[in-house]
Amino acid sequence: AQSVAQPEDQVNVAEGNPLTVKCTYSVSGNPYLFWYVQYPNRGLQFLLKYITGDNLVKGSYGFEAEFNKSQTSFHLKKPSALVSDSALYFCAVRPWMDSSYKLIFGSGTRLLVRP
Amino acid sequence: DVKVTQSSRYLVKRTGEKVFLECVQDMDHENMFWYRQDPGLGLRLIYFSYDVKMKEKGDIPEGYSVSREKKERFSLILESASTNQTSMYLCASSGAYAINSNQPQHFGDGTRLSIL
Repeated sequence: AQSVAQPEDQVNVAEGNPLTVKCTYSVSGNPYLFWYVQYPNRGLQFLLKYITGDNLVKGSYGFEAEFNKSQTSFHLKKPSALVSDSALYFCAVRPWMDSSYKLIFGSGTRLLVRP
Repeated sequence: DVKVTQSSRYLVKRTGEKVFLECVQDMDHENMFWYRQDPGLGLRLIYFSYDVKMKEKGDIPEGYSVSREKKERFSLILESASTNQTSMYLCASSGAYAINSNQPQHFGDGTRLSIL
């Protein structure tokens, strides 16, 4: 079965420190990979995506993500966290050659950045 | 910027009522989606539409139906609301005619629905 795993329900980090939010996936074929962020009482906002090419993808608000095919991972990173980065983060995957239209979401990771 | 507008932010309905959730997008997107979001479960796809009057079932279609009479509007219908349908409902749209495309989905702010 195709799936996305976000192994941490919550990640805590001090402001100014680097942050990592983990994501691993299991899909048939090559995947399209996405990260979204959700602030309280809002919908999901697109952060970045991996299609092909360079394994390090840069996105909005200083976030980047590293695609690792051998480990089937797509971890979200930021060199220096801000308190305003505190939010719920979702990883999502869509198989490249699969005829399915579905975007498969992880269960989400809450990021808490303390001052 | 893409704007996806959901008609209500908060809605309270009673068990057995027929409930309509409306979603409108302003970017002429072909694809529209309805998800529900529950804590610890992420987002689960209810229904999807890739064109006017076309619809596809998602992972959890039971108890729901949809309508897409115009390209910009996608409605979710709870035929007879039940308490286990209390949830956050999110609408999304995406461009590119091919269903299997790499375009991101753009989300509305959600409707928090409570069924009493």
